[in-house]
This record gives sequence, structure tokens and C-alpha cells, in this order.
Amino acid sequence: DTEVTQTPKHLVMGMTNKKSLKCEQHMGHRAMYWYKQKAKKPPELMFVYSYEKLSINESVPSRFSPECPNSSLLNLHLHALQPEDSALYLCASSQILSRGHLIYGYTFGSGTRLTVV
Amino acid sequence: AQKITQTQPGMFVQEKEAVTLDCTYDTSDPSYGLFWYKQPSSGEMIFLIYQGSYDQQNATEGRYSLNFQKARKSANLVISASQLGDSAMYFCAMRIMPTGANSKLTFGKGITLSVRP
Repeated sequence: DTEVTQTPKHLVMGMTNKKSLKCEQHMGHRAMYWYKQKAKKPPELMFVYSYEKLSINESVPSRFSPECPNSSLLNLHLHALQPEDSALYLCASSQILSRGHLIYGYTFGSGTRLTVV
Repeated sequence: AQKITQTQPGMFVQEKEAVTLDCTYDTSDPSYGLFWYKQPSSGEMIFLIYQGSYDQQNATEGRYSLNFQKARKSANLVISASQLGDSAMYFCAMRIMPTGANSKLTFGKGITLSVRP
């Protein structure tokens, strides 16, 4: 199984709603990532989890709350979002790097297209 | 800090012809990996090809090859025999070997490729 599965594929939410994005992988990867991507722009890193612990938060507003319940699952909880938060949200996973071994890339999911109204 | 530069404007190629997408990079770390990803309009980020900094030969994967010129710090993607399905955005990315548990994948700003029938 070499997939990263993201649900839902599309989400429309109001600014007062609470919703969650889900990401699942069964490749044994111990690093998982959330990215935000605007149209025609590169992905912007939001959060990194290593061994189920949050290791990087790229100064993301608190209305985005990540959670890693186990080594296969990654959630992104959304609350009180703004219209400018509308974007494609990508989840990715990878092997943890160690010296002397290959430098692995990321495996990405197909993303959740979020529209905040 | 590492940096990836993709400066070409939108690229156009005739079906069945070859096309080169340019990428230059900058890092002081001797151990790094270079990646190309394809992102069609559906949003999924698809891994195409990988080149390690110590690899002696240029990477190839089917119709994709990577023209790696280490001294010039360039890693251009060559797509042979273009197909209509190759129309997408293409991102060059780099990951260095970390001193800690993990390292980030750094993206260029991307290049839009359109294949004409």
C-alpha cells in the first residue's frame, strides 16, 4: 500500500463552523505533514509530525489545530476560519532520514479543496 | 538555508516532442536529494524522479530523465515524447540530510507545462 488517503476531497464551511480534515497512510512512515497550497503557487508547510509528536509549527494561526492520534493517522481541526483560508490542503508522509541512507521524498495525498464562505 | 529556483514562464510543447524544465538549487550541505513532482489540475502531487547528490549517473524513469549538473547546481527535468496528459504544473524540490530527526522538502515556485495536440 503506497497511498496517502485524504478525506474529504471537497469541503465548504462557514466561518463559524468546526470541521476536520483526515489523512491516513499505511506505509510505515513516521513523519507526516500538512501543507496549504493556493492556486498556481508551491505548497506551504504548516506542520510536521515526527514519531507522532509535533516537531514543526510554521507559525500557523491557532484556528488550525493538528492532531496525530497514531502513526497512521493525521488530522487537521478547523475552527473559525477566514475566507482567505480557502485553499488546497495537502497531507504527506515520509520515512525519517538517517545518515548513510537514501534521502526519501514525500508521498502526497490528493488533497482536500477547502472553501470558506 | 536551501533554495530552489524555477524561473521559466509557462512552457508550451507540441505533442510527441521533448521538453526541458529548468531547476537550479542552492545549498551548502553536501548530502541532499532532488525531486520532481507533477501536479495536474486535480491537485494530487505525483512523484516523478529522484536524484541523490552522490549519484554518479543521471536518473531516468520511463519518459522522464534528470539532467544533473552538480557543479552548476542544476537539475533539469527532460520529458521525452510529450503526451497531452503531461499538461500540469511541475515542481522541483530538495531535501537535505538533517542533523536532527527530520528535514523539510523545499519547493521551487513551479512551472506550468501545456502540451499542444
